[in-house]
Amino acid sequence: QVQVVESGGDVVQLGRSLRLSCAASGLTLNSFHVHWVRQPPAKGLEWVALISTDGTNKVYTESVKGRFTISRDNSENTVFLQMDYLGIEDTAHYYCALEVRSSGRAGCFGTWGRGTLVTVSS
Amino acid sequence: DIQMTQSPSTLSASVGDRVTITCRASQSINSWLAWYQQKPGKAPKLLIYGASNLQTGAPSRFSGRGSGTEFTLTISSLQPDDFAIYYCQHYESYPVTFGPGTKVDIK
Repeated sequence: QVQVVESGGDVVQLGRSLRLSCAASGLTLNSFHVHWVRQPPAKGLEWVALISTDGTNKVYTESVKGRFTISRDNSENTVFLQMDYLGIEDTAHYYCALEVRSSGRAGCFGTWGRGTLVTVSS
Repeated sequence: DIQMTQSPSTLSASVGDRVTITCRASQSINSWLAWYQQKPGKAPKLLIYGASNLQTGAPSRFSGRGSGTEFTLTISSLQPDDFAIYYCQHYESYPVTFGPGTKVDIK
């Protein structure tokens, strides 16, 4: 069965760090550009970050630049999101999503994990 | 950044109804537009890509149209499984952005 599974979500204090993981089964993750998309509880979707298949291209939404780092370990079939200096506004469900259709400059997402919840408390 | 808007924000409809949701972009995105369905507690599911292409596995009652700045998602005959929130997303460039969503609920 093809799936991606996120882990690492937790309740964390303001200003602290957390690392999320996205692991794949039934597919080779290094064939995909991988994204993180987040969704605050009862709100809409916000794209967070992208990492290219070989890890050389990384793109971030403005609000997380300098705080979040996306990386991948293709030997472990896993992508990571290191989140530092967490703020209340980072509270959300974080989804790992695989890019399946591309314009050549950006893409949309055909495979999603179930998400992992990050709660930042004051 | 390209801003996406959707209308209506909520749509009340009955099983069997034909339903249309509109998505607008703040600038031209050609046909780089996707539609997703999301049910409570679940991840979004890709329905349409390239404005009008049905994703593998998505029911044929879903269709998309448009290019440039105005797009529509139509459900030809609403089924009980279709009550959900629908989001559009542009992928013309980064940052990709989503519309605020349209909730389709039971009339």
